[in-house]
Amino acid sequence: GAGVSQSPSNKVTEKGKDVELRCDPISGHTALYWYRQSLGQGLEFLIYFQGNSAPDKSGLPSDRFSAERTGGSVSTLTIQRTQQEDSAVYLCASSQGAKDTQYFGPGTRLTVL
Amino acid sequence: GDSVTQMEGPVTLSEEAFLTINCTYTATGYPSLFWYVQYPGEGLQLLLKATKADDKGSNKGFEATYRKETTSFHLEKGSVQVSDSAVYFCALRLSGSEKLVFGKGTKLTVNP
Repeated sequence: GAGVSQSPSNKVTEKGKDVELRCDPISGHTALYWYRQSLGQGLEFLIYFQGNSAPDKSGLPSDRFSAERTGGSVSTLTIQRTQQEDSAVYLCASSQGAKDTQYFGPGTRLTVL
Repeated sequence: GDSVTQMEGPVTLSEEAFLTINCTYTATGYPSLFWYVQYPGEGLQLLLKATKADDKGSNKGFEATYRKETTSFHLEKGSVQVSDSAVYFCALRLSGSEKLVFGKGTKLTVNP
């Protein structure tokens, strides 16, 4: 079956612009996660959704970062007023339930010039 | 805070060599432990996991045993192949949490 998909695969933007990153989880998976992978910080948790609610947003680095999930499916991560330190690979994962195996998408590579 | 420390790479081995990648953790309570692998150009995949002390996770010839007394979850394989070349991540999940906490990753290159 289809895995987790993310779009775009690559995004280059200018400092100060807003970007939206999209994640399509595996069908039927109720839990969805965003992580960030960067050279300096490794893999960091950003936010967790159960259905359309986000009970854990503790990893969002600043109020420029936000995420939503609609219909218990697709999620969008939005970064406002991008900065160069936002350059990273943004990974989405989904799982059938909260404690189940997380399946990762291929990621979106964001480059902020 | 909760954290995972794994040996820094890169690690370069010849085919059929024995592999160990060390992983230790700091956590409150009793976490579940994982090894994820990222092959070149691909996404993260779960390799194996263990949810309680003394459990052994295994997959594709890789093994790791959850050692509570040494807070460790070292990854081993008896005979590596070129196709095992990848970046390996050790991770934990606390019992009261859903998020994964990852180590920095160890890049493995296996030469023929």
